[in-house]
Amino acid sequence: EVQLVESGGALVQPGRSLRVSCAASGFTFDDHAMHWVRQAPGKGLEWVSGLSWNSGSVGYAASVKGRFTISRDNAKNSLYLQMNSLRAEDTAFYYCVKDIASSWAGNWFDSWGQGTLVTVSS
Amino acid sequence: QSVLTQPPSVSGAPGQRVTISCTGSSSNFGAVYDVHWYQQFPGTTPKLLIFGNTIRPSGVSDRFSASKSGALASLAITGLQAEDEADYYCQSYDSSLNGVLFGGGTRLTVL
Repeated sequence: EVQLVESGGALVQPGRSLRVSCAASGFTFDDHAMHWVRQAPGKGLEWVSGLSWNSGSVGYAASVKGRFTISRDNAKNSLYLQMNSLRAEDTAFYYCVKDIASSWAGNWFDSWGQGTLVTVSS
Repeated sequence: QSVLTQPPSVSGAPGQRVTISCTGSSSNFGAVYDVHWYQQFPGTTPKLLIFGNTIRPSGVSDRFSASKSGALASLAITGLQAEDEADYYCQSYDSSLNGVLFGGGTRLTVL
């Protein structure tokens, strides 16, 4: 069974940094691209970033480009999102999401974690 | 503002058929790329409902179907049931943005 378990969500002040993590199990992690998708409370889904299986290709939403960095450690079956210069509008549940393919662009998502809440507020 | 446009809400009575539209463009599923659909119940994570424009994953009820014509995709739900009340999202890849897009979501209410 695929399991994606996020951690690291917290209350942080605007302008500060935070790293959230995702521990994956139940599938061959380095066969799949991975993504972060966020959802502000009561709002819709917003794709944040995607990373190919070997970290060779990456994509970011315009709203986070230059501030967020996605990475993975295939030896640890883990995905990360480093978030810098956080803003109030970054407040959301952050979901770790499994792509059906090894490249991040053009596919769909077949498994989602339960999410970790990031709250940006002073 | 999402460039995949969905109606904010739709509703229907039990047993009826409803459709949810998703309008894209030539830089996403209007040309090369596919559109996919997800269902999300309140307080839960999204679940894949349709992939590759029209394909139902194993385990998804055949009351759910989808179509695509050009830059317009539609999700249809027949024999509406109270348990279908949820939010529905379309998703595609956009080459001009070089990013993944979700529609704004449609809240389905069963009257």
